[in-house]
Amino acid sequence: NAGVMQNPRHLVRRRGQEARLRCSPVKGHSHVYWYRQLPEEGLKFMVYLQKENIIDESGMPKERFSAEFPKEGPSILRIQQVVRGDSAAYFCASSRQTGSGTEAFFGQGTRLTVV
Amino acid sequence: TQLLKQSPQFLSIQEGENLTVYCNSSSVFSSLQWYRQEPGEGPVLLVTVVTGGEVKKLKRLTFQFGDARKDSSLHITAAQPGDTGLYLCAGDSLTNSGSARQLTFGSGTQLTVLP
Repeated sequence: NAGVMQNPRHLVRRRGQEARLRCSPVKGHSHVYWYRQLPEEGLKFMVYLQKENIIDESGMPKERFSAEFPKEGPSILRIQQVVRGDSAAYFCASSRQTGSGTEAFFGQGTRLTVV
Repeated sequence: TQLLKQSPQFLSIQEGENLTVYCNSSSVFSSLQWYRQEPGEGPVLLVTVVTGGEVKKLKRLTFQFGDARKDSSLHITAAQPGDTGLYLCAGDSLTNSGSARQLTFGSGTQLTVLP
């Protein structure tokens, strides 16, 4: 998966707690995407970020969810006051640029379970 | 919203058989990517097609991009158990804001090749 690192791989949270998912993109990639996947389904776009900027968050719920990609450090997807419906696999992808045909490389995902 | 429909959703075949999976949309994409995802892992990029009518071959896998760049197919010859996985197509298009690009994923075809 070309070096995209996500942690933790598995995360268990009780309802009402906060979940923080981290993504370190491939070295040299300045574009990060977050996707959510439910069992036996495809990936649903959540948010697209460049360094220090949210470019498109149209796929992310307006409440409880936030994302950042600081100048230094990994991208963070934060889910506050988690509910059972937040249980899913969350994937991060990175790319070098966003021209036509740009290829994105995925991490191994974080599997969030809300109990 | 640009939608990608993949068919069939599930496919179970015997080793040695040939198969084709389809990825269709009413929207035009500037490029289209195929990924394979194994359980517990992130999607791995197989190929990117950019030009309408383009055909790319990767060993026993043949990918085709429709002339109108709205659909694509993946043909596997003499399938092997190692081909088992979730095959996802993703179209490259502008985000809702029109300011950037994103990948829109289909729901996937779950392929099982039985020995």
